[in-house]
Amino acid sequence: DAGVIQSPRHEVTEMGQEVTLRCKPISGHDYLFWYRQTMMRGLELLIYFNNNVPIDDSGMPEDRFSAKMPNASFSTLKIQPSEPRDSAVYFCASSPGGVTLDTQYFGPGTRLTVL
Amino acid sequence: DAKTTQPTSMDCAEGRAANLPCNHSTISGNEYVYWYRQIHSQGPQYIIHGLKNNETNEMASLIITEDRKSSTLILPHATLRDTAVYYCIVRVASTGANSKLTFGKGITLSVRP
Repeated sequence: DAGVIQSPRHEVTEMGQEVTLRCKPISGHDYLFWYRQTMMRGLELLIYFNNNVPIDDSGMPEDRFSAKMPNASFSTLKIQPSEPRDSAVYFCASSPGGVTLDTQYFGPGTRLTVL
Repeated sequence: DAKTTQPTSMDCAEGRAANLPCNHSTISGNEYVYWYRQIHSQGPQYIIHGLKNNETNEMASLIITEDRKSSTLILPHATLRDTAVYYCIVRVASTGANSKLTFGKGITLSVRP
């Protein structure tokens, strides 16, 4: 199994531009999570999906952020327009769910720099 | 979810056992103890979890005290690649409606040659 796949691994963009981060969860996992990590705030949960349906998006910082999961093998996190304070490492994770819901498998992350 | 307290950092010699403590004095009877770690520039990695009994897998052992107010993660033969931040997380088994792992500051383990 290739594990959780994220792309791109690094993204540098200018303020105001649209940014799209991508994630492919582990096959068969019903849950997908998006996290953000910064030095100041640590690791924060942004949103998570169950069977492609968003369950809790209370961690999404503002309307500039949106996430979709059109099918079981793909999810996107979009920031439009991007701002310098969005610079962070964004992780995607997936989980089989059930009693193992809190056993989450993380991808390598996307390091976003907004200039 | 119960709050956890971990030392900020510790170190150990390569090849020796690393014992990482975690206090969770307000833990409830239905809360599990989870351990994750994050190696520099990588995503967090699940290590182990337990409820009451001690647990062991290929990565580590988890020792939970009888009163469940503290636990210790044991890496039996630490290697340089075990240098990482280790997070102790306590939470009720998720039902799907409230899944939210909260990562604190963790403990930084440095394994020295």
